[in-house]
Amino acid sequence: GQSLEQPSEVTAVEGAIVQINCTYQTSGFYGLSWYQQHDGGAPTFLSYNGLDGLEETGRFSSFLSRSDSYGYLLLQELQMKDSASYFCAVSTVSGTTPLVFGKGTRLSVIA
Amino acid sequence: DTAVSQTPKYLVTQMGNDKSIKCEQNLGHDTMYWYKQDSKKFLKIMFSYNNKELIINETVPNRFSPKSPDKAHLNLHINSLELGDSAVYFCASSTPTEPATNEKLFFGSGTQLSVL
Repeated sequence: GQSLEQPSEVTAVEGAIVQINCTYQTSGFYGLSWYQQHDGGAPTFLSYNGLDGLEETGRFSSFLSRSDSYGYLLLQELQMKDSASYFCAVSTVSGTTPLVFGKGTRLSVIA
Repeated sequence: DTAVSQTPKYLVTQMGNDKSIKCEQNLGHDTMYWYKQDSKKFLKIMFSYNNKELIINETVPNRFSPKSPDKAHLNLHINSLELGDSAVYFCASSTPTEPATNEKLFFGSGTQLSVL
């Protein structure tokens, strides 16, 4: 089976940088994704890493190290609207295998 | 235009009842899913359908039965509802035909099911 570990809660100051880590254990690893979910909302896709390295999308970046079974999501220039839950998710087979999600990290951005 | 739409948004019902949640996607995706999110926000896959065919059926009680009349629709029927079924149910879709994007799930807005 698959297992993912990420911190349950993180608090950061508006304008700062925060990193949310994710470690995983799975066989046949294919890629690591990140999703954002605001309270009462649906998860929305943020980024995907299929290869080692950093992927940057605006204020958000995601990193993957396959050899370490580790990834992180980096949020820069934090805004209050970034307060949400962030989920890492692993996929193990290209195509129709559904994502397995971590338990989520609740990010609180404070003034 | 909503990409993945599910109805109803809220569903309150008594134990023992039978209910359905509908899901439709207009993205032309081949694969659709049902996820359950519990009170601790844990998202767990329930079912996965590809082109109307069941691919994945996780350890879900057989009171839950997905039905896919066509690849744009995946409905969830739940029989004999129990208190523990209370959760948010999310429909999602993806396409496996684009290797760079096939891991991108598009979620519906969720159905908050409360069993009393």
